[in-house]
Amino acid sequence: AQSVTQLDSHVSVSEGTPVLLRCNYSSSYSPSLFWYVQHPNKGLQLLLKYTSAATLVKGINGFEAEFKKSETSFHLTKPSAHMSDAAEYFCVVSDHDSNYQLIWGAGTKLIIKP
Amino acid sequence: DSGVTQTPKHLITATGQRVTLRCSPRSGDLSVYWYQQSLDQGLQFLIQYYNGEERAKGNILERFSAQQFPDLHSELNLSSLELGDSALYFCASSPTGQNEKLFFGSGTQLSVL
Repeated sequence: AQSVTQLDSHVSVSEGTPVLLRCNYSSSYSPSLFWYVQHPNKGLQLLLKYTSAATLVKGINGFEAEFKKSETSFHLTKPSAHMSDAAEYFCVVSDHDSNYQLIWGAGTKLIIKP
Repeated sequence: DSGVTQTPKHLITATGQRVTLRCSPRSGDLSVYWYQQSLDQGLQFLIQYYNGEERAKGNILERFSAQQFPDLHSELNLSSLELGDSALYFCASSPTGQNEKLFFGSGTQLSVL
């Protein structure tokens, strides 16, 4: 069965420093993996998506994620945090075995310190 | 703007009542999803419809029901409301519902008093 674990419920970084949001998944098939972002009082928006092409995926707003099959990880990174990155981030997995149902992580709240 | 429209934006009602939340998907999208987001339970998948048919069911209570109409808009009906049903309800749509990007509406904030 699929599952997604976001290893940190909160991550706090200073503006201008790197961001790392961790996500581990389990999937019995070649998964599709997604990161969504939810800014305060807003709906969710797709940041990026992996579907078995390049293992390093670039998304919007300078974010990227690397698919590492050996580590079953799909961590989200950004070289330099901006105040506008403060939001909640969700890691999501989907695969053929589950009829493409999306399994959502619990979310990581990213806090940016000035 | 995602192209997904949810109405109303806010809803305040009393326990025991029934409400209907409405969602219009993006033009051309056949699949509609409903999610519930609350502080204590996080983001919970409720149900998915594809072209008028139920495709997947998540943690949806028996007091809740949904449907997708021929014009592809969807409604989520919540009945016998309890305090714990207070949450943000999101609708999302996608072209086919398989391994693809979801477009989310801005949600309906339901407050049960």
